[in-house]
Amino acid sequence: AQKVTQAQTEISVVEKEDVTLDCVYETRDTTYYLFWYKQPPSGELVFLIRRNSFDEQNEISGRYSWNFQKSTSSFNFTITASQVVDSAVYFCALREKYNFNKFYFGSGTKLNVKP
Amino acid sequence: ETGVTQSPTHLIKTRGQQVTLRCSSQSGHNTVSWYQQALGQGPQFIFQYYREEENGRGNFPPRFSGLQFPNYSSELNVNALELDDSALYLCASSGTELNYGYTFGSGTRLTVV
Repeated sequence: AQKVTQAQTEISVVEKEDVTLDCVYETRDTTYYLFWYKQPPSGELVFLIRRNSFDEQNEISGRYSWNFQKSTSSFNFTITASQVVDSAVYFCALREKYNFNKFYFGSGTKLNVKP
Repeated sequence: ETGVTQSPTHLIKTRGQQVTLRCSSQSGHNTVSWYQQALGQGPQFIFQYYREEENGRGNFPPRFSGLQFPNYSSELNVNALELDDSALYLCASSGTELNYGYTFGSGTRLTVV
């Protein structure tokens, strides 16, 4: 069965702290795609990153970095030196190769960054 | 790119009524999906349309139906509204490449009273 688990419901940090959002997934497919989306209060889902299951190289984009580990089925997201504008709900999602029309989303982690 | 736009942004309906939500997909994207996001939850897949045909459906009853038009617009129709249908409804469009991420709209917040 396909499943994405984000165990952290809500995290609060003070500005400039580093924060890691956890994501654990389950799938029987050998080829799949993992995503992170940001959802600000306005509601739209903003695409952050896509990773293929055959590419375990970690990625850094500015203050954002992602750690993909197939051995533990995890795809964690770290924000370095957090800012108030990072406050939002973050979703991890899974998309399978042979069912590519469907995303499985986690329940989201609400990040509160306080000044 | 024109993005994905949804209308209306907010809607209040009475239980038992019918509702139509609209989405204008990103230009050139011939795949559109609809998701339901209940409060405090992640989005759940309702269905997808590709070239005006439904080609995938989640665990939603038949009273959830859709249409896709040649001009990249689409509709989500919900009949016999129930209180549990209250949610944010998100439309997402995608190109045809397998590993495309979707472009999501801002959603329609539906409240059923």
